[in-house]
Parts: sequence; structure tokens; C-alpha cells
Amino acid sequence: GAGVSQSPSNKVTEKGKDVELRCDPISGHTALYWYRQSLGQGLEFLIYFQGNSAPDKSGLPSDRFSAERTGGSVSTLTIQRTQQEDSAVYLCASSLEGQETQYFGPGTRLLVL
Amino acid sequence: SQELEQSPQSLIVQEGKNLTINCTSSKTLYGLYWYKQKYGEGLIFLMMLQKGGEEKSHEKITAKLDEKKQQSSLHITASQPSHAGIYLCGSPSIGAGGTSYGKLTFGQGTILTVHP
Repeated sequence: GAGVSQSPSNKVTEKGKDVELRCDPISGHTALYWYRQSLGQGLEFLIYFQGNSAPDKSGLPSDRFSAERTGGSVSTLTIQRTQQEDSAVYLCASSLEGQETQYFGPGTRLLVL
Repeated sequence: SQELEQSPQSLIVQEGKNLTINCTSSKTLYGLYWYKQKYGEGLIFLMMLQKGGEEKSHEKITAKLDEKKQQSSLHITASQPSHAGIYLCGSPSIGAGGTSYGKLTFGQGTILTVHP
């Protein structure tokens, strides 16, 4: 079956611009996660959705970052006024329930110039 | 907050050799996931260990969980070039109700190179 998909696969933007990253989870998965992977910080948790609500947003690094999920399916991670330190690979994962195994998408590589 | 330390950070082996990667937690482990990542790709799920003493195998990869030592090990037997990649261990968080939920804390990864 189809896995987690993310778009775009690569994004180059200028400092100060807003970007939107999209995640399509595996059909039927109620839990969805965003992580960020960068050279200096490794793989870091950003936000967790159960259905359309986000019980854990503790990993969002600043108020420039926001995420939403609609219809219990697709999620969008938005970064406003991008900075160079936002350059990283943004990974999305989904699982059947909160305690279940997470399956990851291929990621979006963001480069802020 | 929980921290996971992986060792070694990188490993270069000759094809056919056995190898072990360790993942040590600063706190009690309530389960442990192993993932593999190829350059430029997402994480591929390998195994999940939930109970102390648990051991799982898939093809030539075996993972064990030692709850007392707060440690897990991943062992590859007769390594092949296809085993090359970055191996990551991840541990779930504990929610307010004492049950684990999916937010994962990851180790820094172990880069494995297998020479033919």
C-alpha cells in the first residue's frame, strides 16, 4: 500500500519568505508527527497530532513555526519569515495510534538562502 | 529530558564481518525502536522492542533490549553492502497517564559503511 508522502521533496527559498510543507499520512493512521533533521541537532521532534488536534507542540522551535491537520489526514507545516537556521530535512511520520510504530515519509529538504 | 547515546558514531567493516551498534539511554527505557536511513531518504522501520530482555531478529539483523542497563544493541551478522546506511535508535515518551505515546527521542545515529 501507499506509504507516507511528502511534498515538495526539495525547497529552496530566500530568507524572510514563508514556506509550506505538506504531509500525506498512510490511510487510516490517526497519529501524525513532524520531525526535523539537521547536521548539528540530529533528528528532533516538532509536533504530534492525534486526529486534528495537537496534544504535543513542545518541539516547535519558535512562533514562526505552525502546523495544522485537517480531516484527520493531510498535515501542513508552515514556517514564516524563514531564517537560514531553518535549513534542514523535515520528516513526517504516521502511526495507527499514538503508541504504535511510526512510518516515515521521504522528507522535504529545505534550504534557506 | 531523555537522551540516547549511540556508539560507535561511525563504523567501517569488510563485507561478511559481524558488527554491533549500541544505544544507551539516560533514563528508563519504555520501548526502543531501530530505524535505518539511506542518504537522502526517510527512515525505514527495522524493529521495535518493548520488554526488558526482548530479542527480535529479521534476516541478518538482531536487536536486544536490556532494561536494567537502559541499553539496546543491534547486531548484524555477515554484513553486506546493502546494510550500509545510518542506524538510528528512538525511544517513545511517557505521557501524563504513564503510558507511552509516539513522540520519539532519537540517538545521533551510527553511520555504517560496508566495503565489498
